[in-house]
Amino acid sequence: AQSVTQLGSHVSVSEGALVLLRCNYSSSVPPYLFWYVQYPNQGLQLLLKYTSAATLVKGINGFEAEFKKSETSFHLTKPSAHMSDAAEYFCAVSGAGNNRKLIWGLGTSLAVNP
Amino acid sequence: DADVTQTPRNRITKTGKRIMLECSQTKGHDRMYWYRQDPGLGLRLIYYSFDVKDINKGEISDGYSVSRQAQAKFSLSLESAIPNQTALYFCATSDSRAMNTEAFFGQGTRLTVV
Repeated sequence: AQSVTQLGSHVSVSEGALVLLRCNYSSSVPPYLFWYVQYPNQGLQLLLKYTSAATLVKGINGFEAEFKKSETSFHLTKPSAHMSDAAEYFCAVSGAGNNRKLIWGLGTSLAVNP
Repeated sequence: DADVTQTPRNRITKTGKRIMLECSQTKGHDRMYWYRQDPGLGLRLIYYSFDVKDINKGEISDGYSVSRQAQAKFSLSLESAIPNQTALYFCATSDSRAMNTEAFFGQGTRLTVV
């Protein structure tokens, strides 16, 4: 079985500060991992994904995430927060196989303070 | 035009009424999903369909039904709406031929049951 835990339902940072959103997963098979972002009144869009290639994955809008198998983590980071980064962020995991589905974390709401 | 289109975007309905939410996609994907989003609960899977003849219940299917009218269309029905079905509903698609299960989302339907 697979599961995802996002540590911290709300994170607040100052503009220009480091953004760190935490995601830990559990998977009995090699995982595929995803970060999605949801801006207010919009659907979810893919930020980045890990698919067993490079462990450091770069995404859109300056975000990146590092897959650490030993820590079962896939934390999302951005060196310098912008006001426009304020949104809900979701981590998701899926495994290989024909019937794979995405398993979602509960989300982390990021606030960016001026 | 959006790749995944949901209609309506907003709907207010009365308790006991039947309502249908529609989803259409132009991505050519075989898999389609309906999710519900509630504050603090993340995304919960209602139903999913891996092809036109394959419909599966998700984790919260009670009170809902679906129809996959064509590969590109997947509708969600509430036979007799109740207030706790007030939520944001998302349709999503994915491609089984892809190595990973990246999902593409519609803009969402905000449903209020009064």
